[in-house]
Amino acid sequence: AQKVTQAQTEISVVEKEDVTLDCVYETRDTTYYLFWYKQPPSGELVFLIRRNSFDEQNEISGRYSWNFQKSTSSFNFTITASQVVDSAVYFCALSEGDNYGQNFVFGPGTRLSVLP
Amino acid sequence: NAGVMQNPRHLVRRRGQEARLRCSPMKGHSHVYWYRQLPEEGLKFMVYLQKENIIDESGMPKERFSAEFPKEGPSILRIQQVVRGDSAAYFCASSPSAGGNTIYFGEGSWLTVV
Repeated sequence: AQKVTQAQTEISVVEKEDVTLDCVYETRDTTYYLFWYKQPPSGELVFLIRRNSFDEQNEISGRYSWNFQKSTSSFNFTITASQVVDSAVYFCALSEGDNYGQNFVFGPGTRLSVLP
Repeated sequence: NAGVMQNPRHLVRRRGQEARLRCSPMKGHSHVYWYRQLPEEGLKFMVYLQKENIIDESGMPKERFSAEFPKEGPSILRIQQVVRGDSAAYFCASSPSAGGNTIYFGEGSWLTVV
């Protein structure tokens, strides 16, 4: 069975600090996809990144970076020089096999508060 | 998530009434998924539909909930005789095909049962 754990329920940082959000997953499949979504206070879900299980290369997009390590089943998300607009709930998600949308399993989310 | 349209964004219903939530997928997308987010929780899969077909409804409560995606028009999630426990955010997502693609979410519909 697939499972996603986000051990950090809430994190508070001061603006300009770096912050890492942890995600640990469980799956028996060799083919799977990992995602991060952002849910700002307005409520919508914003897609941030998708990674497949065969690509462990880390990715950087502006202030965002992701560290995928199969050896520890982790897919951590780092925000560099955080800003108030980064305040949101962040969800890590896992989809096994052929990435059918019904196979998405979401973690419980991490609420990030960036204080001015 | 641009392009998946959900309405209404907010809906208030009294216990026992019916709630209808609509979802228009992104242009070119023929696969629709409904998820529910209970307060302070992550999203849970409910149902997966293609045009005129329910592919997987394993996450749907057995009673009072139904979903459809007709040949023409939006997908509809229908909740009959709502109860307080149905209060949640309901998210629709769509994808252009079943495999290898990211799903994109709408902005959600917040149902409050009073």
